[in-house]
Amino acid sequence: DARVTQTPRHKVTEMGQEVTMRCQPILGHNTVFWYRQTMMQGLELLAYFRNRAPLDDSGMPKDRFSAEMPDATLATLKIQPSEPRDSAVYFCASSDRPGRDQETQYFGPGTRLLVL
Amino acid sequence: AQKITQTQPGMFVQEKEAVTLDCTYDTSDQSYGLFWYKQPSSGEMIFLIYQGSYDEQNATEGRYSLNFQKARKSANLVISASQLGDSAMYFCAMREFSGSNYQLIWGAGTKLIIKP
Repeated sequence: DARVTQTPRHKVTEMGQEVTMRCQPILGHNTVFWYRQTMMQGLELLAYFRNRAPLDDSGMPKDRFSAEMPDATLATLKIQPSEPRDSAVYFCASSDRPGRDQETQYFGPGTRLLVL
Repeated sequence: AQKITQTQPGMFVQEKEAVTLDCTYDTSDQSYGLFWYKQPSSGEMIFLIYQGSYDEQNATEGRYSLNFQKARKSANLVISASQLGDSAMYFCAMREFSGSNYQLIWGAGTKLIIKP
């Protein structure tokens, strides 16, 4: 049963610290998305990659957030320095059938981040 | 302007009854796809069902079906014979096929609670 995996599942940190979240997309999926979910804003797209290249990161605060795909099996989202307003659930999703109509995003379990 | 509207913030339904969750959308594209996701209290986002704009028939997946009314721009999710495990947030999303945009546009969600 292929799934997107994310680590860590929970993270509590202090303001100013660096946070790194990792995602392993489903094997063979070449499009990876990073989302942030909060009660106030709902689900927001931060960035997405296709074939490891960033296609759109306009949803990401550029001064503190960065997203990369070092290889096809790993995507990372870093926050440096973290702030309390970054507290949220961060989801990674990967999709199959890029460019085809029924492209479906499959989500990981999320990383619950709390910045004190 | 909101592109995906879910008018029911919350719903209570008796177990074993059928449930309809509303979703209306706004697009000028001729080609698009509509998705429903479930988010239980554990937090993961689970893909449920997909409907393409050119699909002649309403999509079905087990107890889930999509009541697609293209002229009205609605894509309501129907859950037959509801179960306690159906209690969750439900999100409607749309992807427009123009250009090479892989982004999903999300609704605000409906919280469904199944009563025993």
